Amino acid sequence: GAVVSQHPSRVICKSGTSVKIECRSLDFQATTMFWYRQFPKQSLMLMATSNEGSKATYEQGVEKDKFLINHASLTLSTLTVTSAHPEDSSFYICSAREEYQPQHFGDGTRLSIL
Amino acid sequence: QKEVEQNSGPLSVPEGAIASLNCTYSDRGSQSFFWYRQYSGKSPELIMFIYSNGDKEDGRFTAQLNKASQYVSLLIRDSQPSDSATYLCAVNRNTNAGKSTFGDGTTLTVKP
Repeated sequence: GAVVSQHPSRVICKSGTSVKIECRSLDFQATTMFWYRQFPKQSLMLMATSNEGSKATYEQGVEKDKFLINHASLTLSTLTVTSAHPEDSSFYICSAREEYQPQHFGDGTRLSIL
Repeated sequence: QKEVEQNSGPLSVPEGAIASLNCTYSDRGSQSFFWYRQYSGKSPELIMFIYSNGDKEDGRFTAQLNKASQYVSLLIRDSQPSDSATYLCAVNRNTNAGKSTFGDGTTLTVKP
């Protein structure tokens, strides 16, 4: 149980493109979802916390207009990187939590902006 | 001082040995504690969670929690080369609610 599906697994696109990443909880209802970013050989960095039906809470220093998060249902959250630039290239990972359960991670999306 | 501190390693143990990974945290109000394993280039995978003082065993893994001393550890018995990964300690202020604070991870290498 507790499977989190994340798509796509890899994206390569040109600078200025907007990229949408989906995160789905397949066998549970995710009351909370989290979005992380991880640069090579660095630690996980929490970008935002999202609860179903409400606005995401962004961590300090994360631009909410740059990283749009939508948590429209108990099983789906999306992260849109708007007008992506090379410095946005990173490994983006979502996680989801059912109430009173630990969070489980998706497989991540490797984003490369040319 | 970081909220969650781990020795970055690398920690190297021979195959079959016990690997001991340690984590200290600064928020005395923390309630739930997690260990995740992350292979290179992959996302983290939950291994263990513990809420109460003492030991919790699951197969070759044992999590140990001491809230008075504010540390949590992970023991891996009969270490295998496939255990080679980065181990992340995560701490929550609430029991399974809200965000977790992650340590930077300890890299473990198990040598055949």
